[in-house]
Amino acid sequence: GAGVSQSPRYKVAKRGQDVALRCDPISGHVSLFWYQQALGQGPEFLTYFQNEAQLDKSGLPSDRFFAERPEGSVSTLKIQRTQQEDSAVYLCASSLRLAGSETQYFGPGTRLLVL
Amino acid sequence: GENVEQHPSTLSVQEGDSAVIKCTYSDSASNYFPWYKQELGKGPQLIIDIRSNVGEKKDQRIAVTLNKTAKHFSLHITETQPEDSAVYFCAATWYGGSQGNLIFGKGTKLSVKP
Repeated sequence: GAGVSQSPRYKVAKRGQDVALRCDPISGHVSLFWYQQALGQGPEFLTYFQNEAQLDKSGLPSDRFFAERPEGSVSTLKIQRTQQEDSAVYLCASSLRLAGSETQYFGPGTRLLVL
Repeated sequence: GENVEQHPSTLSVQEGDSAVIKCTYSDSASNYFPWYKQELGKGPQLIIDIRSNVGEKKDQRIAVTLNKTAKHFSLHITETQPEDSAVYFCAATWYGGSQGNLIFGKGTKLSVKP
């Protein structure tokens, strides 16, 4: 079946621009995570949704980062006024039921480059 | 909070040899430890996981061991093949609640030479 998909796969933005990254989780998956992966590093947690509820946003690095999942399926991560330090791969993961007891399946990521 | 350290950062082996990657974690409450393989330009893919109620798990050429007392766990790959070349990440989390975000190590780049 279809896995987690993300779009766009690559995004180049000028410093100060706003960007929106999309995640389509596996159909029926309740939990959705966003992670940020800097070059040569492991993924770092940004935020977590259970259906449409954002239960944890403790990993978002600043108030320029905003995520939503209004209908409990597709999620969008928005970054306002992008900075060079925002350059990274943004990974989305989903799991079938409540997080913590289920395998997390990752998408291919969106590689963001801020110039 | 949880902290996961992973060693080595790079590992080069000859095809057919074994490879071992080690991780330590800091939070004794962590009870779920997955391993992911990430190929260039792709997202992490789960290859094996272990929960704290078992000490070892094996799946064909891949095995994971867990020592809760010492708070470390290891990935063992036997009979390595060139297609095993990738970056491997260990992770830890506490499952059973309503959270479960993974804390990752920094990764090990494995190169298998034919």
